[in-house]
Amino acid sequence: AQTVTQSQPEMSVQEAETVTLSCTYDTSESDYYLFWYKQPPSRQMILVIRQEAYKQQNATENRFSVNFQKAAKSFSLKISDSQLGDAAMYFCAYSPIKDSNYQLIWGAGTKLIIKP
Amino acid sequence: DAGVTQSPTHLIKTRGQHVTLRCSPISGHKSVSWYQQVLGQGPQFIFQYYEKEERGRGNFPDRFSARQFPNYSSELNVNALLLGDSALYLCASSLGGGAKTQYFGPGTRLLVL
Repeated sequence: AQTVTQSQPEMSVQEAETVTLSCTYDTSESDYYLFWYKQPPSRQMILVIRQEAYKQQNATENRFSVNFQKAAKSFSLKISDSQLGDAAMYFCAYSPIKDSNYQLIWGAGTKLIIKP
Repeated sequence: DAGVTQSPTHLIKTRGQHVTLRCSPISGHKSVSWYQQVLGQGPQFIFQYYEKEERGRGNFPDRFSARQFPNYSSELNVNALLLGDSALYLCASSLGGGAKTQYFGPGTRLLVL
């Protein structure tokens, strides 16, 4: 069974600095999707960034970028120029493609604190 | 455009009761998924529906059921509520038919006393 592990329960960063959140996953599949979602105190899960496993190029969305290491099954999120609004729980998620089952499998989350 | 909507936002029930949670997907989306998020944990997959058919089911007891309507909205039903069913219930929609990105609603907070 596929699993997702986020080993950092909490991270803190000074405003305007850069922070990296870690995620590892386990799967025997060769094709899948990986996501980072953000969940602020308002509870709504917001998509941050998505990576297709068949793409070697790391995904980037403005200040957010990933370091996707397929062989190591690692998928870290880098946030540049951290802003107060980035404070939230960040979840890493894996989506299989096989059998048209698109369920998301989630890590336990990392709480990101931004220090002003 | 309206995002995914869920109702109610909060709900308090007692053990043994039944609850129905509702979800309306983003316009044009044909797939709806349900997740349970217990406080302090990541979400757990419950169901996925596409074109009104169940496409996937997570490791939840038969007390949990769902359906999708012709307008692609969905209901999640939970019978014989237990204290452990207290959680945030998230609904997500996607285009379906191969689309992988799921967009989430604000959730329904269920408290079972």
